[in-house]
Amino acid sequence: AAGVIQSPRHLIKEKRETATLKCYPIPRHDTVYWYQQGPGQDPQFLISFYEKMQSDKGSIPDRFSAQQFSDYHSELNMSSLELGDSALYFCASSLEGVGQYFGPGTRLTVT
Amino acid sequence: AQKITQTQPGMFVQEKEAVTLDCTYDTSDPSYGLFWYKQPSSGEMIFLIYQGSYDQQNATEGRYSLNFQKARKSANLVISASQLGDSAMYFCAMREGDAGGTSYGKLTFGQGTILTVHP
Repeated sequence: AAGVIQSPRHLIKEKRETATLKCYPIPRHDTVYWYQQGPGQDPQFLISFYEKMQSDKGSIPDRFSAQQFSDYHSELNMSSLELGDSALYFCASSLEGVGQYFGPGTRLTVT
Repeated sequence: AQKITQTQPGMFVQEKEAVTLDCTYDTSDPSYGLFWYKQPSSGEMIFLIYQGSYDQQNATEGRYSLNFQKARKSANLVISASQLGDSAMYFCAMREGDAGGTSYGKLTFGQGTILTVHP
C-alpha cells in the first residue's frame, strides 16, 4: 500500500539559511499534519491542512510557513534557521479523520 | 488542556514474554481517541493500534492489545510474545474530538517508553 512520502530524507543547512520540506500524503487523503520531534523528545504538532486550507496551528515559529497545494502535497518552509531547529520533521496524513499515518520523516541538521 | 503521561522511561522484557507499557491521559473532552505508535531506531513512526473513547471493547491488532480503563483514564499497550524486533521507542498519543473514530484534530504525545527485548 502507498505510504506518505517525504523529501528530502536528510538535510543539512547552516544557520540563517532556508529549508523547504515536502510531503506527499497517501493518495486520496484529505488532511496533512506536520510534527517536529527534537532529539530525545516526543513529536510536537506544528500545523495541519484540510482540503488545502489551514485547519489548525500549533507551536510553529513565525519563521516557518506551510501550505498545501492543489495536488494535496504540502511544503513546510523554514527561514532564518537556528541550531534549535535541528529535529526530525514528520508529515502525517489521514482520510476523513480516520487515523494518522506518518511518513518516514526528514532529519534536518542545522550547523 | 490535554495531557499524556508515560511513566516508564525504559522497559526490559525477555523474548517471547508479554509486556505492558503504561499510558495515562487527562482530558475534559468526552470524545477522544488514543493511539500507540512504535518508533524504531531508524526514526519512522509506525501506527500500532487505536481506541476510541466510546468503544466498548478493548482494541486488538495481532500481538498488540490496548487495555482501556476509561474510569482510570489509562490506555496501556500490551505486547504479547515479544520479539527482538519489538525493541523500539513506543509513544502513546491522544486526539480530542473523536466522534465514531474520526477527527481532524492533532495528536498530543506522551514522553515515550523505550522497550528493550532480550534474547
